[in-house]
Amino acid sequence: KQEVTQIPAALSVPEGENLVLNCSFTDSAIYNLQWFRQDPGKGLTSLLLIQSSQREQTSGRLNASLDKSSGRSTLYIAASQPGDSATYLCAAPPLGGSNYKLTFGKGTLLTVNP
Amino acid sequence: GAVVSQHPSWVICKSGTSVKIECRSLDFQATTMFWYRQFPKQSLMLMATSNEGSKATYEQGVEKDKFLINHASLTLSTLTVTSAHPEDSSFYICSASGQYEKLFFGSGTQLSVL
Repeated sequence: KQEVTQIPAALSVPEGENLVLNCSFTDSAIYNLQWFRQDPGKGLTSLLLIQSSQREQTSGRLNASLDKSSGRSTLYIAASQPGDSATYLCAAPPLGGSNYKLTFGKGTLLTVNP
Repeated sequence: GAVVSQHPSWVICKSGTSVKIECRSLDFQATTMFWYRQFPKQSLMLMATSNEGSKATYEQGVEKDKFLINHASLTLSTLTVTSAHPEDSSFYICSASGQYEKLFFGSGTQLSVL
């Protein structure tokens, strides 16, 4: 069974700082990995999806990497802004199971201070 | 992009009553939808997979008679919490599978049972 862990649970940074959020998973035979953003009391917004054949994906100031051998993914946020404050979740599907039945980490609560 | 509408956003009900939550895919057809619940500072836990025209598939430990799921059309799935009790108070989120293996989430429903 795939297990997903995120470190740190919370992170507070000043505006403009570059930061890295970490995600680890137990089954290296991963099909894909997704990063989501969740605002308080809201649903999830998909940020980036990395297929197992890819090493990274970029969207604007966000860059997500995937290292299957070490069971890790990172989300890099450049030049952070107060609007980036949210909880960031990573998720992976189970090996051999539906690619939509994601296992989520508990998330990292990011606060960017102006 | 694909939009999933979920309502109500929040609901307060008395213990013993039933509550229905709707999840609609607005601009795409979703043969499969997913229902999650999330406790404060915890990750999303998959409750069930809703398939259009067939019975839902429930995760281990989720009472199917407690959480009734109906997926009568390609754009609508409903979750009914029957005879709700305070321990059912939680944040419920639906999602629908779209193109390129992405999941699109509703905005969530905060249920408070008094």
